[in-house]
Amino acid sequence: DGGITQSPKYLFRKEGQNVTLSCEQNLNHDAMYWYRQDPGQGLRLIYYSQIVNDFQKGDIAEGYSVSREKKESFPLTVTSAQKNPTAFYLCASSIGSGSFNEQFFGPGTRLTVL
Amino acid sequence: AQKVTQAQTEISVVEKEDVTLDCVYETRDTTYYLFWYKQPPSGELVFLIRRNSFDEQNEISGRYSWNFQKSTSSFNFTITASQVVDSAVYFCALTLITTSGTYKYIFGTGTRLKVLA
Repeated sequence: DGGITQSPKYLFRKEGQNVTLSCEQNLNHDAMYWYRQDPGQGLRLIYYSQIVNDFQKGDIAEGYSVSREKKESFPLTVTSAQKNPTAFYLCASSIGSGSFNEQFFGPGTRLTVL
Repeated sequence: AQKVTQAQTEISVVEKEDVTLDCVYETRDTTYYLFWYKQPPSGELVFLIRRNSFDEQNEISGRYSWNFQKSTSSFNFTITASQVVDSAVYFCALTLITTSGTYKYIFGTGTRLKVLA
């Protein structure tokens, strides 16, 4: 089945530690995205990538980093510089870049920083 | 700046009732796209519909219908004869390309719909 895989579903980390969230897609999509979802705030874009080896900051990129070395993979690192990292993180992909493409979402990773 | 407002935080209806979810957007851009997504309890958002800024034609898909009105900057979503399976959080989103060539993807805060049996 084609889709987006995010692992793990739940992740716990101690404050001050970096943590990397995995996102893999087998849809052969060019574009990939990372969103953060907090209660009452909807989804906010962290980073997006239109093509391999290229990515752009979204609205809340501070404290996060990404890489796009392979078309199917777009890992997100939550660094210790992120002041409030506890949240639900959603990865998405679309067939191409552009504002008109619908996005396909993964099941999300819930990160809790203790 | 662009913005999407979903003023209804939570709506509860009894099964078979009709329900409308409101979405109001703000942008000065003339070219943009509007989306609705559904987020069931499993977490992943599911695409429902896309509309571009030049197409104000309303759309119906089964029990779902959408009303796009540029005059009021609204893109409302109606579910007719609601069912328990419609229970989810629904997001309205606005996407566009800026003059600098970057993309903006702006989601509303979502409306939680509870359909009671």
